[in-house]
Amino acid sequence: EPEVTQTPSHQVTQMGQEVILRCVPISNHLYFYWYRQILGQKVEFLVSFYNNEISEKSEIFDDQFSVERPDGSNFTLKIRSTKLEDSAMYFCASSWLVGTGELFFGEGSRLTVL
Amino acid sequence: GIQVEQSPPDLILQEGANSTLRCNFSDSVNNLQWFHQNPWGQLINLFYIPSGTKQNGRLSATTVATERYSLLYISSSQTTDSGVYFCAVDASEGPQGGSEKLVFGKGTKLTVNP
Repeated sequence: EPEVTQTPSHQVTQMGQEVILRCVPISNHLYFYWYRQILGQKVEFLVSFYNNEISEKSEIFDDQFSVERPDGSNFTLKIRSTKLEDSAMYFCASSWLVGTGELFFGEGSRLTVL
Repeated sequence: GIQVEQSPPDLILQEGANSTLRCNFSDSVNNLQWFHQNPWGQLINLFYIPSGTKQNGRLSATTVATERYSLLYISSSQTTDSGVYFCAVDASEGPQGGSEKLVFGKGTKLTVNP
């Protein structure tokens, strides 16, 4: 069964460093998402991406964050200068349809900022 | 925005017992999904169920969209069922008339004891 894959599974970084989280969505999917879960809290929407541009973003997704689809398979989330409060599990998701389509989630990348 | 309430917040079972988890939502939805987050933090897709009933092994789910609730049934529970179960719904209006982001509930933490 096709799946969304994420790397790394866990990354530890120093405050102020840049981090790139990578995702390979399911190959025929058109819509891509990043979600975040701070330890012990709800999963929260960060950003959605379609046709090589951001289609919607949350208040969390400020100028420190950016997303990119550098080639036909990868979808990345970059955090330019990490803060302690960026420590969280980051989930990538993809879907074929918008609105009535199922979202398929990756297993997550745990980011720890020291 | 749409509100998602899950109950109970915590549930402790003995192996072999059955359980029902509930998800109430405050508005009509285009999409409803159930997830299992295992103790390692990985998010596992369980069901895509905006309406109707589905079954997958010992798990089944029912969504009554007109009454704005969904139920997840776990039968003959096993210790590997432990973790947090999330309900997530998609109700916002996107550029194509659908929605692009899931709103998650706070989850039900299930502990299955041997």
